Amino acid sequence: DTEVTQTPKHLVMGMTNKKSLKCEQHMGHRAMYWYKQKAKKPPELMFVYSYEKLSINESVPSRFSPECPNSSLLNLHLHALQPEDSALYLCASSPAAGADTQYFGPGTRLTVL
Amino acid sequence: GQNIDQPTEMTATEGAIVQINCTYQTSGFNGLFWYQQHAGEAPTFLSYNVLDGLEEKGRFSSFLSRSKGYSYLLLKELQMKDSASYLCAVTDSNYQLIWGAGTKLIIKP
Repeated sequence: DTEVTQTPKHLVMGMTNKKSLKCEQHMGHRAMYWYKQKAKKPPELMFVYSYEKLSINESVPSRFSPECPNSSLLNLHLHALQPEDSALYLCASSPAAGADTQYFGPGTRLTVL
Repeated sequence: GQNIDQPTEMTATEGAIVQINCTYQTSGFNGLFWYQQHAGEAPTFLSYNVLDGLEEKGRFSSFLSRSKGYSYLLLKELQMKDSASYLCAVTDSNYQLIWGAGTKLIIKP
């Protein structure tokens, strides 16, 4: 099973809303990632969790707050977002952080009004 | 700085062969990945090269020359479903994945 799942598939939220994106994998991978991708651009790394600990935070604004409740789950909490935060949010996992292949979930298409 | 170059767009004919090139200048090298991404969907892993040479996987092959900082993805017997963006990504010395901007491949009948 090489599947990473993400919910919801689509999300529309206002700038004052609080919402969460969820990601799950059952491959026993110990590294999980959040990426943001704008149209016609490559994915931009936001956060990396390794063994359930945040190992990389790529200078992401505090309105994005990641959480890793356990080795299979990764959340991204959203609060007071801006319209320019509208994008495809991708979760990925790999056996370990580093050179291992990353497997991506289907993404959440986020629109901020 | 870190840089990965790939053509922005390529067009090919159904049934033909196409080669997508990728050149990189990164601080160290720990492997090169090719991903396929259909519009609005997530990237799908295609291939991984860490040693020089050709890796073949069905209709897709990927080549690496570390001394030249060069890779290519070769797609044979093109099908309409191969229309997608193809992303080259390199793992640097800090094990960070550096992404190219992607090559949009258009397949014509």
